[in-house]
Amino acid sequence: EVQLLESGGGLVQPGGSLRLSCAASGFTFKNYAMNWVRQAPGKGLEWVSGISASDYITFYSDSVKGRFTISRDNSEKTLYLQMDSLRADDAAIYYCSKDLFLGDFHYYYMDVWGKGTTVTVAS
Amino acid sequence: QSALTQPPSASGSPGQSVTISCTGTSSDIGRHNYVSWYVQYPDKAPKLLIYDVSRRPSGVPDRFSGSKSGSTASLTVSGLQAEDEADYYCSAYVGSRALIGTGTKVTVL
Repeated sequence: EVQLLESGGGLVQPGGSLRLSCAASGFTFKNYAMNWVRQAPGKGLEWVSGISASDYITFYSDSVKGRFTISRDNSEKTLYLQMDSLRADDAAIYYCSKDLFLGDFHYYYMDVWGKGTTVTVAS
Repeated sequence: QSALTQPPSASGSPGQSVTISCTGTSSDIGRHNYVSWYVQYPDKAPKLLIYDVSRRPSGVPDRFSGSKSGSTASLTVSGLQAEDEADYYCSAYVGSRALIGTGTKVTVL
């Protein structure tokens, strides 16, 4: 079964850091671009960041660029999101997702999603 | 542009059709066909419904269809069922990044 499992969420103070992980199983992780998408409480979806399959090219939304870092370990089949300088408006459920097509081009057709991990930013 | 524009809500009776619009610009939806649609049920992760404007992944019923005209994409749900009550989001590729719509809550009357 194709599966993504996020972890690492929790409560952090404004200005703090958190590292999210997403463990993949059931597919050849190294062949697919991956993404992080978040959803603030009661709000819509927001794409946060993406990383290509094998050349590790990264992309960020303007709202997190310079504060968040996406990375992947293809040998461990794990996606990461390092979040620094966290703000109140970063509080959300963070989902990791897999692109539909294999290869390095990022179509952003996200066909597999994890259940999400919750990040709360408060003092 | 921070998000593609969708109507906040749409509704229809069982068996009817409902169409959701997704308005972008010449830089995103109007530039190419990398448009997708997602459905999100309460407290669940999103699910891919449509990609490449109008293609359905395996397992998605043909009651769901997509189209595009200029800078506006549309999702039509035909033969509305109670289980279709959910939030729907469009998404488009924009300059190596993804832009997601504001979301539409579909209510089945």
